[in-house]
Amino acid sequence: NAGVTQTPKFQVLKTGQSMTLQCAQDMNHNSMYWYRQDPGMGLRLIYYSASEGTTDKGEVPNGYNVSRLNKREFSLRLESAAPSQTSVYFCASSEVFADGPLPIYGYTFGSGTRLTVV
Amino acid sequence: AQKITQTQPGMFVQEKEAVTLDCTYDTSDPSYGLFWYKQPSSGEMIFLIYQGSYDQQNATEGRYSLNFQKARKSANLVISASQLGDSAMYFCAMKPNNAGNMLTFGGGTRLMVKP
Repeated sequence: NAGVTQTPKFQVLKTGQSMTLQCAQDMNHNSMYWYRQDPGMGLRLIYYSASEGTTDKGEVPNGYNVSRLNKREFSLRLESAAPSQTSVYFCASSEVFADGPLPIYGYTFGSGTRLTVV
Repeated sequence: AQKITQTQPGMFVQEKEAVTLDCTYDTSDPSYGLFWYKQPSSGEMIFLIYQGSYDQQNATEGRYSLNFQKARKSANLVISASQLGDSAMYFCAMKPNNAGNMLTFGGGTRLMVKP
């Protein structure tokens, strides 16, 4: 019963290097998300995927790309890392667990990836 | 666009006392859901409680309750009988019904429980 699995848990990059953060969920959720959390702040949405085959920009998409590889996997790529991208990155997925005029969504978060760009 | 405001960066509470964490929100969507999450020092996001904008009663989950005042656009979290393990960051979040599936988060409140 893994839920949302993120890899790696920690990463240090040099400025200009590239890397891909991996995320996989085993709950058959349609929607997946990437958030970043800077020190002492709330989570801000980078990109999301409402369903397999679709991706959309969130609040802070600059410097990132995403791929919804299949229903399970949603990766986040930094093409040329910058110190401003030092953050903790969370992947999440969601499902509707009660439908109606106001559907109720449940969200499951991964444990986060702590990324430092030097 | 929606916005969540948590005006208390940090709070102290004495063990076994109750504490209220403030959250105000702004949205033009008449239908929305409100969430509270706990983030302990280990970093994971733990779901605590949910309130729908149409719910007539305030949500409760064990020691957690949500003081929902729709007209004032506030959704304060009340923790009764605080425990040392309640020390953590707490985030309020909102999902408007007609703005995609994603959550918008507030900046968080750090709660410290004193023995």
